[in-house]
Amino acid sequence: GEDVEQSLFLSVREGDSSVINCTYTDSSSTYLYWYKQEPGAGLQLLTYIFSNMDMKQDQRLTVLLNKKDKHLSLRIADTQTGDSAIYFCAASPGAGSYQLTFGKGTKLSVIP
Amino acid sequence: EAGVAQSPRYKIIEKRQSVAFWCNPISGHATLYWYQQILGQGPKLLIQFQNNGVVDDSQLPKDRFSAERLKGVDSTLKIQPAKLEDSAVYLCASSLDPGGGDGYTFGSGTRLTVV
Repeated sequence: GEDVEQSLFLSVREGDSSVINCTYTDSSSTYLYWYKQEPGAGLQLLTYIFSNMDMKQDQRLTVLLNKKDKHLSLRIADTQTGDSAIYFCAASPGAGSYQLTFGKGTKLSVIP
Repeated sequence: EAGVAQSPRYKIIEKRQSVAFWCNPISGHATLYWYQQILGQGPKLLIQFQNNGVVDDSQLPKDRFSAERLKGVDSTLKIQPAKLEDSAVYLCASSLDPGGGDGYTFGSGTRLTVV
């Protein structure tokens, strides 16, 4: 089955860019997602990319997909203290199965 | 638009007791999911409903877990009897597009502690 891997921690200074990386194993993954989870809260969908795209930009967020290497990244420009949270990468195979497989999450700490 | 509603917010029970969680998805969302999130891990799918039918329950421990969505709207997830390893946050999510293209909307979850 699908396996999604992420580094567990990332620390950046306020105003810098953050880059969170993710790798997945199933090359047939159709949709790839980034979710944000703040303490005690559910998961908030930040953005997603369809597998036939290389890049997607949405305000401060840029998603890059390298389908050959099965590598996904999320770049947050001008990182703010409010961006401190756990970020989850998730993959969906599509094609009749829409189960999301999540990574363990990357905890982003923003230093003022 | 109202979000995905879940209750209770927290629950503490003793092992071997039973517990039930409730979820009301976003109006019009035909697809409903229950995920289990153990501390320090990503959520894991337990069961997926399309309207009132089960699409995928391959990872649901059926000897102790059950779920239903009788009228194709709200859903309940039950654990009977609970074990210590069931301590987790149980997240409900819904989506309009069963293909996942719009992503899922998650509720705030029910935090279960089994002692």
